Order: sequence, then structure tokens, then C-alpha cells
Amino acid sequence: GQNIDQPTEMTATEGAIVQINCTYQTSGFNGLFWYQQHAGEAPTFLSYNVLDGLEEKGRFSSFLSRSKGYSYLLLKELQMKDSASYLCAVRDGDYKLSFGAGTTVTVRA
Amino acid sequence: DVKVTQSSRYLVKRTGEKVFLECVQDMDHENMFWYRQDPGLGLRLIYFSYDVKMKEKGDIPEGYSVSREKKERFSLILESASTSQTSMYLCASSLSPGDSSYEQYFGPGTRLTVT
Repeated sequence: GQNIDQPTEMTATEGAIVQINCTYQTSGFNGLFWYQQHAGEAPTFLSYNVLDGLEEKGRFSSFLSRSKGYSYLLLKELQMKDSASYLCAVRDGDYKLSFGAGTTVTVRA
Repeated sequence: DVKVTQSSRYLVKRTGEKVFLECVQDMDHENMFWYRQDPGLGLRLIYFSYDVKMKEKGDIPEGYSVSREKKERFSLILESASTSQTSMYLCASSLSPGDSSYEQYFGPGTRLTVT
């Protein structure tokens, strides 16, 4: 089966940096996604990694190491609106995504 | 902008009822998905479809069926609703492999309560 682990909760201060780790053990690998989900809303796409290394997109960066089965999402210059759940998902074939349980990030003033 | 819509935001049904959840996407995506989301468990795939009239079981298909008669519409059917099916149901769509990252776009969700 698929096993995708990420911390349940994290708390950080406005303006700080937070790193959300995700480790995975899956039967196949065809890319890793990060989604953001505000309470009561649909998940929205943040980033995609299929090769090792860092992908930067504004205040958000995502890193992948396929040999270690490891990824992280880095949120810089935290804002109150970044309070949300962050979902790590692995595509193990052509279509299917397997999701972790999500990390709830709370940003405090 | 991709838009995925779901027929209801909130739904309350009784045990044993047949329940239909409808999903429509407006971007001509080939692939559509149904997930349920429960606290502590994340999103779990129920069924997906990669073409009209084609369907594949996901990780938790028991108690559910699906229908895709038109490309833009994907329906989830609970044949006989049970209290264990109380959950948030999310529909998603995506392009096919070979189209960039082909990320999935999600609808707003239907919170179903079965009493």
C-alpha cells in the first residue's frame, strides 16, 4: 500500500518561516504535489516536483529527494492568510494521487 | 480558469436512501475523480474515470458506484446510504498524462450527513 506521512499540526509566527516535511513509501512514483486547503474550501494546487531539487514559486518553495522518499514545503514570510491545511500527495501511476492526512498550519500574530 | 462544481454543499439523507452526488467541470478534462475526506485520514480515492463511460476503482470503492455518460459530468452514487458514509465528498478533474503536471482541480465539496 501507499504510506505518506506528514506532521499533524504546526504553529508559527507571522513573518516567520515554516517547513512542512513529507515522507512517502509508494509502489510507484510519478510526481509529488502540494495542495493548500483553507477550512471549508476546496484544495488548491501549490506545487509539483518530479525531479530532485528545489522548485520556488514566490513565498512558497518545494523540495524533493526521490532517493530518500522525502519532500518539504517551505513557506516564507508567513501571513495570517497562510493558516490552512497543507496536503502532500504522490502520483504513483498515470492518474491516481495518494494523499497524506494533511498538516494544519496556524499562523499567530 | 478551471471550474469544478458540485450539486450541493450540504446534504442530509437517511440510512438506506439512494444518494446521487453530481460533479461538473467546464475545462474539457479527460479525467475525473471522487474522493472522501475524513479528519485524520486525508483524502481517499473512491473512483476515477479517464474517459466517458470508463471507470476505475480507487482505494475505497465499497458501497459506491459512479456514472460518466458525458465528458463534463461525473456522478457518485451511494446505493444504500449508511452512517459510515457521513463525510466530505470532493470531486476533481485533470488533464491526461503528457499535459504538463496535470494537477487535479477540486470542487468545493459536498458535506453529506447520513442519519
